Amino acid sequence: EPEVTQTPSHQVTQMGQEVILRCVPISNHLYFYWYRQILGQKVEFLVSFYNNEISEKSEIFDDQFSVERPDGSNFTLKIRSTKLEDSAMYFCASSGGTALVTGELFFGEGSRLTVL
Amino acid sequence: SQKIEQNSEALNIQEGKTATLTCNYTNYSPAYLQWYRQDPGRGPVFLLLIRENEKEKRKERLKVTFDTTLKQSLFHITASQPADSATYLCALDPVDSSASKIIFGSGTRLSIRP
Repeated sequence: EPEVTQTPSHQVTQMGQEVILRCVPISNHLYFYWYRQILGQKVEFLVSFYNNEISEKSEIFDDQFSVERPDGSNFTLKIRSTKLEDSAMYFCASSGGTALVTGELFFGEGSRLTVL
Repeated sequence: SQKIEQNSEALNIQEGKTATLTCNYTNYSPAYLQWYRQDPGRGPVFLLLIRENEKEKRKERLKVTFDTTLKQSLFHITASQPADSATYLCALDPVDSSASKIIFGSGTRLSIRP
């Protein structure tokens, strides 16, 4: 069964460093998303991406964040200068095909980011 | 302000009973509402979707209702099993029905005791 894959599964970084989280969405999907979940808290929407541009973004997704689909298969989230409060699980999701009608999201297993 | 609220942080019930979870929303008019399951340390997994013109949707032991007047969805698991223990999230599209932005409630952690 097709799945969304994310790398790395866990990354530890120093405050102020740049981090890139990578995702390979399901191949025929059209919408791509990043969510984050701080430990013990809710799943929060960051950004959605469609047709090579951002569709929607939340207030969390400020100038420190960027997304890119560099090669038609990968979908990346970059945090330019990490802060302690960026420590969270970051989930990539995709949607498309018949699932696009319903908005059903397929999530990856997440990348845990720890900022020291 | 716009909110999605799930009625309790945790629900603990006896195996075999029906679990009922509640999702309330304010200041939205979603075309549909979704339910997901999340296990610890894992990504959410889609369970069911119900549209605004549907009163009820079933899938095996799961049943979802949607009352657009009350702005509420109920999620039921009948004949509950310990394997049903997880956090259950409701989600909706606050923008339109294009699925460009799906937002989640804070979840209800369900524990089924043998």
